[in-house]
Parts: sequence; structure tokens; C-alpha cells
Amino acid sequence: AQSVTQLGSHVSVSEGALVLLRCNYSSSVPPYLFWYVQYPNQGLQLLLKYTTGATLVKGINGFEAEFKKSETSFHLTKPSAHMSDAAEYFCAVREGGSQGNLIFGKGTKLSVKP
Amino acid sequence: NAGVTQTPKFRILKIGQSMTLQCTQDMNHNYMYWYRQDPGMGLKLIYYSVGAGITDKGEVPNGYNVSRSTTEDFPLRLELAAPSQTSVYFCGIGGTPQETQYFGPGTRLLVL
Repeated sequence: AQSVTQLGSHVSVSEGALVLLRCNYSSSVPPYLFWYVQYPNQGLQLLLKYTTGATLVKGINGFEAEFKKSETSFHLTKPSAHMSDAAEYFCAVREGGSQGNLIFGKGTKLSVKP
Repeated sequence: NAGVTQTPKFRILKIGQSMTLQCTQDMNHNYMYWYRQDPGMGLKLIYYSVGAGITDKGEVPNGYNVSRSTTEDFPLRLELAAPSQTSVYFCGIGGTPQETQYFGPGTRLLVL
């Protein structure tokens, strides 16, 4: 069965600092990987996704993630944090077979200090 | 939220009451999902549907029922509400596995 592990339930960075949110997955088939962001009391918004092709994926709001098959990782980064990046971030892998549902990590809450 | 609507936004239920959470999409996607989100636990799949008339259980289906009579609608039914069903419920839609899965704004449910 597929699973997703997000290291660190809470990450705090200073404004302007590098953001690194870690995600490792387990999958017996080539994975489809996603990062979603959730702002307080809102739904989930897609940041970026990896399906096939280039392993470095660029998303919205300056975020990017790199798929590393050898490390089974899909870490999310942003060179310079902004106050508006404070939110909860979820890594997810798409279930194979006919279901197609997402398997989510437990989430990482990002705080940005002024 | 990309053509997915959920109602109500918030509801308080007493133990033993029943209710239906509504999910409607206008993107003509075959796949529809219900997830629940609990603090620190991410989202877990309750039920899913791969098309009208076809539904199946996810990871945490106990206490819930669904139906899918049309492509657009995928209601989630709670028959006997329990405090353990206090959660935020998200409806998701999607196409092929490579396509993005979109989510509704969520329904916050409190069972007292």
C-alpha cells in the first residue's frame, strides 16, 4: 500500500529565509505526487504536481519540488519565505488502480516570523 | 474552488441525529471522493465513486453512506451522528490519475 510521510508537523522560518518541507512516499508503482496548501478555514489548493517528465516541478507562489526516485522523496522548497506563505501544507500520492484517490501525509504547518 | 460546491459550510448535530452533506460539481468529472480531515491526521478517504451508480468504501467508511445517481452530485449521509464524526469534510473530484484533484471548500461538522 502506498503511504506518505511528512517530516515535521510544524516548521518555523523567518521572512526571507529558505522554506524546506519534507515529504517521503512509498509506492510500488511510478507515483503521481502532489503538494496542496491549506490556508486557515479554507479548502485545499494545488501548489504543484509531478506525473511524468522533468523531475523538478515548479508551482504557484514561487514553490518548487523535486522528485527523487532513489530517495523516494518529493520535498517542497521556496527560496525566500513570505508572511503570506503561513499555512498548512500537505503532500499526497495518487492511489494506483481504479480508485485514483489521494493518500495524504499528516501535513506540515508553516509559520513565518517577521 | 474549481467548480466544486459543498453545503452546508458548518453544522452542529446532536448525538443520534442524521444529516446529508451535499457535494456538487460542474466539471463533468467521473471520479468523486469524500474525505475527512482531523487535526494532525491529514485527510482520510471515506467513500469514492468512479461514475454514476458506482460507489465504494474508502479507508474510514463506518457510520457513513453515499449515493451517486448523477455525475454532478455525490451526497454523504450520516445516519446516527456520533462525537467521533466531528471533523471537517472535503469533497474531491478528479479525472485520470495524472489529472489534478480539486476540492470543495469543506463542511465543518460538530457533533455534541
